[in-house]
Amino acid sequence: DTGVSQNPRHKITKRGQNVTFRCDPISEHNRLYWYRQTLGQGPEFLTYFQNEAQLEKSRLLSDRFSAERPKGSFSTLEIQRTEQGDSAMYLCASSWGLAGVEQYFGPGTRLTVT
Amino acid sequence: TQLLEQSPQFLSIQEGENLTVYCNSSSVFSSLQWYRQEPGEGPVLLVTVVTGGEVKKLKRLTFQFGDARKDSSLHITAAQPGDTGLYLCAGGGKAAGNKLTFGGGTRVLVKP
Repeated sequence: DTGVSQNPRHKITKRGQNVTFRCDPISEHNRLYWYRQTLGQGPEFLTYFQNEAQLEKSRLLSDRFSAERPKGSFSTLEIQRTEQGDSAMYLCASSWGLAGVEQYFGPGTRLTVT
Repeated sequence: TQLLEQSPQFLSIQEGENLTVYCNSSSVFSSLQWYRQEPGEGPVLLVTVVTGGEVKKLKRLTFQFGDARKDSSLHITAAQPGDTGLYLCAGGGKAAGNKLTFGGGTRVLVKP
């Protein structure tokens, strides 16, 4: 299967701990996006990369959040000093081309901060 | 800020009935996508519409993009229990900074 993969699928952590999520996009896709989805809501944009360059970050992405995409392949999203409000589904998507019109999503990582 | 509003928020129907979900915005989008999401999973792309007035059909699903590219609808004919899920519309394209703006979703339950 050559779809978008995300690991881990579930993460439970205590408040104040750091967590890191990984996303492997579809291999030929040059754009990679991170979204966050809370219960009962649609996904909200966090950030995106074109190849290895991070081109846009949402206001939702506080200083505790950092994302990287070394070598333009997989990406990681790290949350430092987690808070209960960080509990959400973190979704990764990838697309090909300049417009990023069609984005294909991974299964997501469900984060629970206790 | 571009916003997308979906209606209704929740729809419960019997198998075999038809349903329509609406997605409206005050802003123009270069493209609009419809996704379906199962609990605990990521959204799955159903269709992309890019031209005002465009109509696309996917088996029993019919998608329409408004002439002004501000609204869209999803119509399901003879719904089946397998159509149950969260339907999300998302607007995007170069004019929106390459990111997708999602509506709040419509939860559809098709009872056998």
